[in-house]
Amino acid sequence: QQQVKQSPQSLIVQKGGIPIINCAYENTAFDYFPWYQQFPGKGPALLIAIRPDVSEKKEGRFTISFNKSAKQFSLHIMDSQPGDSATYFCAASRRGSNSGYALNFGKGTSLLVTP
Amino acid sequence: NAGVTQTPKFRILKIGQSMTLQCAQDMNHNYMYWYRQDPGMGLKLIYYSVGAGITDKGEVPNGYNVSRSTTEDFPLRLELAAPSQTSVYFCASRRDRVGQETQYFGPGTRLLVL
Repeated sequence: QQQVKQSPQSLIVQKGGIPIINCAYENTAFDYFPWYQQFPGKGPALLIAIRPDVSEKKEGRFTISFNKSAKQFSLHIMDSQPGDSATYFCAASRRGSNSGYALNFGKGTSLLVTP
Repeated sequence: NAGVTQTPKFRILKIGQSMTLQCAQDMNHNYMYWYRQDPGMGLKLIYYSVGAGITDKGEVPNGYNVSRSTTEDFPLRLELAAPSQTSVYFCASRRDRVGQETQYFGPGTRLLVL
């Protein structure tokens, strides 16, 4: 059972465009929502993360929007560049969980930014 | 700091063989994790550890075993390799501290079971 649902599966945008990746969750006990970026042949690396007490967080060109009532969060990449081409994963975890705060991952979105 | 290191990078196993995937971190993190990544499926938790001597099962533990004798090392053991264990395996670690939830991932081990 996928606890975090991610869409779309793949995305192609032109350089300068604003790709948006969406995630939804069911477990209201989740209290930490990170986004990871993964390049081919590499391990995932944290991009940006948010807690449910804020509705938006920006770090450089990356923004997370969070809607607690809808149990949804999304990643926006402003002024996208070819170097942003990668797979992006949303995830969620909760304190006090019986899995050591392990991350529940979405299935990933493969982003291609064309020149 | 080397961060999280994993060996080997790639391995081919025959059905029924066994092997140990190595993972080490030099950040003095208490929490360590093993995930597997299958195409189009995200990452799924196999086992985790909250400190030396303490391990527990994750979502997909069948066919695997772990041990944690030191803070630094968290090896994953496959006893009887099966084709269903063909995957990319990632080890990760994090601090046991509120506000420092970031999990740091290793570069992965690609395993092919034939």
